[in-house]
Amino acid sequence: DVQLVQSGGGLVQPGRSLRLSCAASGFAIVNHEMHWVRQAPGKGLEWISHISRFGKSVHYAASVRGRFAISRDDAKNSVYLQMSGLRTDDSSLYYCARGGVIINLWGQGTLVTVSS
Amino acid sequence: DVQMTQSPSSLSASVGDRVTITCRASRGIGDSLAWFHQKPGKAPKSLIYDASRSQDGVPARFSGRGSGADFTLTITDLQPEDYGSYYCQQYYSYPLTFGGGTRVDNK
Repeated sequence: DVQLVQSGGGLVQPGRSLRLSCAASGFAIVNHEMHWVRQAPGKGLEWISHISRFGKSVHYAASVRGRFAISRDDAKNSVYLQMSGLRTDDSSLYYCARGGVIINLWGQGTLVTVSS
Repeated sequence: DVQMTQSPSSLSASVGDRVTITCRASRGIGDSLAWFHQKPGKAPKSLIYDASRSQDGVPARFSGRGSGADFTLTITDLQPEDYGSYYCQQYYSYPLTFGGGTRVDNK
């Protein structure tokens, strides 16, 4: 099956760090650009980051720029989101997604809760 | 940043109804617009891209129209599996931005 399998969420204290992982199955991410999108409880979708093929370029939403870092390991067929300086308003369901600018496949989501 | 405004924010409809959702961009984005459907507790599903092109496997009852700043998603003959929330998203420029969503529930 073609899918994205996410891991790495959980409960973390404000100011701490967390890394999310997204492993592709059934296709090779080397051929694709990848994104992270999040959704706060009961709220809409918020795009937060993009990485091009081979990691040549990255983009971030203003809300996470300077605190979050997207990366990829094509050999492991995975993409990552390193989150640091976490704040309570970062609490969300985080999705990885495949696509150039056109997203066509979503992971199942992983919940991040930032609380003391 | 390009702001995306969806309307209505919610609507009630019955199986078999025709449903139309509108999305407006704060400036012209050509046809760089996608639509997504999200059922409660599930990941979004991609429906439409380039404003009017359907992703593989999307039923023909879903159609998108528009260009520039005004876009619509129409669902003809609403089916039970179509309830949930719908989001538009522009990819004309970074940061990519989503509309606030339209919740479609059972009348």
